[in-house]
Amino acid sequence: EAGVVQSPRYKIIEKKQPVAFWCNPISGHNTLYWYLQNLGQGPELLIRYENEEAVDDSQLPKDRFSAERLKGVDSTLKIQPAELGDSAVYLCASSPGTSGGVNTGELFFGEGSRLTVL
Amino acid sequence: AQSVTQPDIHITVSEGASLELRCNYSYGATPYLFWYVQSPGQGLQLLLKYFSGDTLVQGIKGFEAEFKRSQSSFNLRKPSVHWSDAAEYFCAYGGSQGNLIFGKGTKLSVKP
Repeated sequence: EAGVVQSPRYKIIEKKQPVAFWCNPISGHNTLYWYLQNLGQGPELLIRYENEEAVDDSQLPKDRFSAERLKGVDSTLKIQPAELGDSAVYLCASSPGTSGGVNTGELFFGEGSRLTVL
Repeated sequence: AQSVTQPDIHITVSEGASLELRCNYSYGATPYLFWYVQSPGQGLQLLLKYFSGDTLVQGIKGFEAEFKRSQSSFNLRKPSVHWSDAAEYFCAYGGSQGNLIFGKGTKLSVKP
């Protein structure tokens, strides 16, 4: 079974440029997450989707970040314009879903997209 | 606010020695707790998880963890560390909002 696929694995851009990351979750997983991982830190949630609905985007900096999950499968995370502080690893994860609003299951992570903003 | 604390940023152990990585959480209700491992340039892989029942849980690669409610802890252990265990380890709490709250991680180095 294929795991969570992310692309690109690495991206180097200059500040103020746009960038987009793509994620294909495990087939059948209704819940999709985008996490931000700064160097030396644990992952922090940016946005969570249940099917095509963004149910938790409270930590997404909406002035420059946007995300979509059309048709409830693949997802794209966009940054426009990128800033120096956006340099980090962007992790996508998926899970079969939640029960009563509580995550009781395992999250399956992709390998991440490492962004460097110059 | 819910939080997960991993007090040790970096630990070095000799190959064959035992290992314990500490994790404390702050939340009142029954927690859902996880340990993930991340090798350099890789995503996170689940080692083990605790939902309920037996407080000692077994995971992959010979790891185990013990949930202690009185200490709000979920420490990860391995009796004999292998060089391939060198990685970063993250403890996570399953929050009520349906996402995982991660600690800052503990980097494990293994001496030959």
